[in-house]
Amino acid sequence: AQSVTQLGSHVSVSEGALVLLRCNYSSSVPPYLFWYVQYPNQGLQLLLKYTSAATLVKGINGFEAEFKKSETSFHLTKPSAHMSDAAEYFCAVSDSGGSNYKLTFGKGTLLTVNP
Amino acid sequence: DGGITQSPKYLFRKEGQNVTLSCEQNLNHDAMYWYRQDPGQGLRLIYYSQIVNDFQKGDIAEGYSVSREKKESFPLTVTSAQKNPTAFYLCASTEGGLGYTFGSGTRLTVV
Repeated sequence: AQSVTQLGSHVSVSEGALVLLRCNYSSSVPPYLFWYVQYPNQGLQLLLKYTSAATLVKGINGFEAEFKKSETSFHLTKPSAHMSDAAEYFCAVSDSGGSNYKLTFGKGTLLTVNP
Repeated sequence: DGGITQSPKYLFRKEGQNVTLSCEQNLNHDAMYWYRQDPGQGLRLIYYSQIVNDFQKGDIAEGYSVSREKKESFPLTVTSAQKNPTAFYLCASTEGGLGYTFGSGTRLTVV
C-alpha cells in the first residue's frame, strides 16, 4: 500500500522568502510522484511530476522538487515566494508498475504568503 | 480546449434524496476517477473506471454509485445511504497514469 505524509498542514512565509513544502512517501515499488496546487473552490492543477527520469524536477511557476530515494522524500521548493503562490498544495504518489493509475494524496499544506 | 467539465458547481440535497453529479471529459482518456475532499483530509478515492462499462470501488465507496456507459462520461450518484455527503467532489481523468486532469469540482451541501 502507498501513503503520503505532508509535514505541516499550514506554512506561512513572507513574500520573497524561500518556500519549502515537505512530502514523504511510502511505496513498495518505484513510485511516480506528483505535486498539485489548488486555489479556493477550484480543481487541482499539476505543478510537476517525477516519473523515474531526472531526480530534480522543474515545474510551473518556478517550483521544483527533488526525489530522494534514501529519504523517501519529494519536497517542493521555490526560491522566492509571490503573493499569487498562496494556495493549498498536495503531494501524491502512484504505483509506477500498476495498471490502474490510482493516486494516493497527502492531506495537503496550506501556504500563506505575507506581504 | 480539452478538459473536464463538472456540473453543477453547487448542489443542495435534502435529507433522504439521491443526487447525481455530472463529469464529462473530451480528452479521450480511458481512466476516470471520483474523489471526495473534506477540509484537512486531503482527497479520498470514491470510485474509478479504467474502461467503459467497468468500474471499481475506491476507499470510501459506501453510499455512492457510478456508471460508465460512455468513455466521455462518469456520473456519480450520492445516495440517501451516504450519511455525511456534504463535501467538495472532484472528478479526474488520466491517460497512461502520468498525472491527472481535474475538473473544477462540485460542492454538495445537505440542507
